[in-house]
Amino acid sequence: GAGVSQSPRYKVAKRGQDVALRCDPISGHVSLFWYQQALGQGPEFLTYFQNEAQLDKSGLPSDRFFAERPEGSVSTLKIQRTQQEDSAVYLCASSLGDRNGNTIYFGEGSWLTVV
Amino acid sequence: KQEVTQIPAALSVPEGENLVLNCSFTDSAIYNLQWFRQDPGKGLTSLLLIQSSQREQTSGRLNASLDKSSGRSTLYIAASQPGDSATYLCAVRHTGNQFYFGTGTSLTVIP
Repeated sequence: GAGVSQSPRYKVAKRGQDVALRCDPISGHVSLFWYQQALGQGPEFLTYFQNEAQLDKSGLPSDRFFAERPEGSVSTLKIQRTQQEDSAVYLCASSLGDRNGNTIYFGEGSWLTVV
Repeated sequence: KQEVTQIPAALSVPEGENLVLNCSFTDSAIYNLQWFRQDPGKGLTSLLLIQSSQREQTSGRLNASLDKSSGRSTLYIAASQPGDSATYLCAVRHTGNQFYFGTGTSLTVIP
């Protein structure tokens, strides 16, 4: 597609529910990133994929967070047993490859509110 | 862990003014630095990317500089316009594939 597409754009979940957030990166982009952005803060790294391989998941805040990219294109971020502190914008980004000169492109985010 | 700081947190200027946004980082061993713009309710749009070996990059009315040794970058916006109103974020790529972001500068350009 023309840009990074994320769905749903807005999600309200009751505490304890599981949620799944989808990211469709730019076609042909090898690298895919997930970030979490709390209100008034900069994005915080969650995890990184190169094709289907999850090379870095050091930013995932707990074992309730799980990400996958099984075919090296679309990625899903799953949050189990959501808590109020999970409320944030979840941003997906992609870049052409794993090279320092590649610009990173962000989607518009999935806004999660846990009530 | 890399710490990125942006000053000021908010800035309001009249239309037509030139302005400078500041970004500092604690670990100078970076691969590159990128400036982004974020509009309310939107994702991030890349403005300029500076490699660690470069000193500056320019795009239209925007000029970004990088002084890696002192851990500083500036984003210069010339002849500001109301459409420039947004939050500006800088991010450094350090080790691995993580980008470390600052908390942003919220810019308002008054017509």
